[in-house]
Amino acid sequence: EAGVVQSPRYKIIEKKQPVAFWCNPISGHNTLYWYLQNLGQGPELLIRYENEEAVDDSQLPKDRFSAERLKGVDSTLKIQPAELGDSAVYLCASSLQGTNTEAFFGQGTRLTVV
Amino acid sequence: DAKTTQPNSMESNEEEPVHLPCNHSTISGTDYIHWYRQLPSQGPEYVIHGLTSNVNNRMASLAIAEDRKSSTLILHRATLRDAAVYYCILRATRVTYGNKLVFGAGTILRVKS
Repeated sequence: EAGVVQSPRYKIIEKKQPVAFWCNPISGHNTLYWYLQNLGQGPELLIRYENEEAVDDSQLPKDRFSAERLKGVDSTLKIQPAELGDSAVYLCASSLQGTNTEAFFGQGTRLTVV
Repeated sequence: DAKTTQPNSMESNEEEPVHLPCNHSTISGTDYIHWYRQLPSQGPEYVIHGLTSNVNNRMASLAIAEDRKSSTLILHRATLRDAAVYYCILRATRVTYGNKLVFGAGTILRVKS
C-alpha cells in the first residue's frame, strides 16, 4: 500500500513568490495534518482536517497561509507571499478518524526561500 | 495540552539496550502516551503507545510508571538504524481532541558502532 505522498520533495523560491505543496493521504484516512518543521525542532501543527473540515487551524498564519482539502481526500497548502522565515520542511500526515490511531507521515517538502 | 519532558540527547552502543525516559507529571487520566521517531530526512514514524500497562511490539517496549507521571521507551538491542529523534507525546482520548498530535523537541539518540 502506498504511504502518504507529498510533492514536490524540494522547492526553492524567491521571497514574495507564491508556493504550493500537495499531499495525497493514505486511502480511507479521514484525518489529515499539515506540520511545519524548522531545523533542529519538532514538527509544529499548522492545520488538522477531519474529512473536508478544518477542525484545528489555530496555528495557521492566515495572513499568508491557506489550505484546502477538497472532497476530503487530497490537500494543498499554499503560502502567498513567501518570506525568508518560511524556509522549513512541510510535513503532511494522515490517520483514521478516532482517538489513538497511528498517524502516517510523508517525507515532507523542503522549502527554501531566498 | 499536557507537557512532556525528555533529555536533549542520549548515546548508546550498538547491540545494547537503550532506555529513553519521558516525564509527564501533568498527564490526565485519559491521556495515552505515544512515541514516534524521526530518522534523518524522513517524516516521523509511529513506534508504540500505551495507557497504563506496559506494552510490547516488534519495534520496542513501553514501560509506564504506576502513577503514570513518567514512561520509558526501551529498544532492546540498538542498531545503527535506530539513530533518530524520539518523541514522547500525550494524546487526549476525547473525540474532539483525540487526533491532536503535539510534538516536543524530542531526544536525539546516537548509536555508536
